[in-house]
Amino acid sequence: AQSVTQLGSHVSVSEGALVLLRCNYSSSVPPYLFWYVQYPNQGLQLLLKYTSAATLVKGINGFEAEFKKSETSFHLTKPSAHMSDAAEYFCAVSEGDTGRRALTFGSGTRLQVQP
Amino acid sequence: NAGVMQNPRHLVRRRGQEARLRCSPMKGHSHVYWYRQLPEEGLKFMVYLQKENIIDESGMPKERFSAEFPKEGPSILRIQQVVRGDSAAYFCASSPLHHTESSYEQYFGPGTRLTVT
Repeated sequence: AQSVTQLGSHVSVSEGALVLLRCNYSSSVPPYLFWYVQYPNQGLQLLLKYTSAATLVKGINGFEAEFKKSETSFHLTKPSAHMSDAAEYFCAVSEGDTGRRALTFGSGTRLQVQP
Repeated sequence: NAGVMQNPRHLVRRRGQEARLRCSPMKGHSHVYWYRQLPEEGLKFMVYLQKENIIDESGMPKERFSAEFPKEGPSILRIQQVVRGDSAAYFCASSPLHHTESSYEQYFGPGTRLTVT
């Protein structure tokens, strides 16, 4: 069984400040991990993924995430927030290369960016 | 290259009616997934299909819900005798066939927002 916990349902930062969105996972097998972004009334867009290669993963729009097995974490960061980053962010986990591809999502973190 | 297409984008049904949601995967993708998003919640997996095959339906409610992905045409999620609790956004995602790293990436459509009155 797998689960994802996103600490903080709402995060507010100032424009230009560091963005840190937290994700902890639980998985009985080596996981694949994903971050998605959802803008209002739209589908989800893949930001980045971890699939057992490099533990520091770079994604689109200046985001990156680091897989830390010892902490079972996959936190999302961006050095400098932009107004356009305001959206909902979802962390998700799947069962690695077991063939079971269903994604288990966290409950999401809504990011506000203040001018 | 068109993305994942879903229609309709908005669907209103009265209690007891049937809802049919359609999903056309990205070109070259042969895996389709359906997820449901209730208000203020994350997405919950429902079903995973390949052409003419249900691979994993562990997230599907036992009654009233069914899904198919025929050889020709879009994938269909069908909800019979809808109830108010079925009101949600239903998202379809697709991924490529081959067993490469990218085959584990799921690309999402814009969703169908079902309202049951």
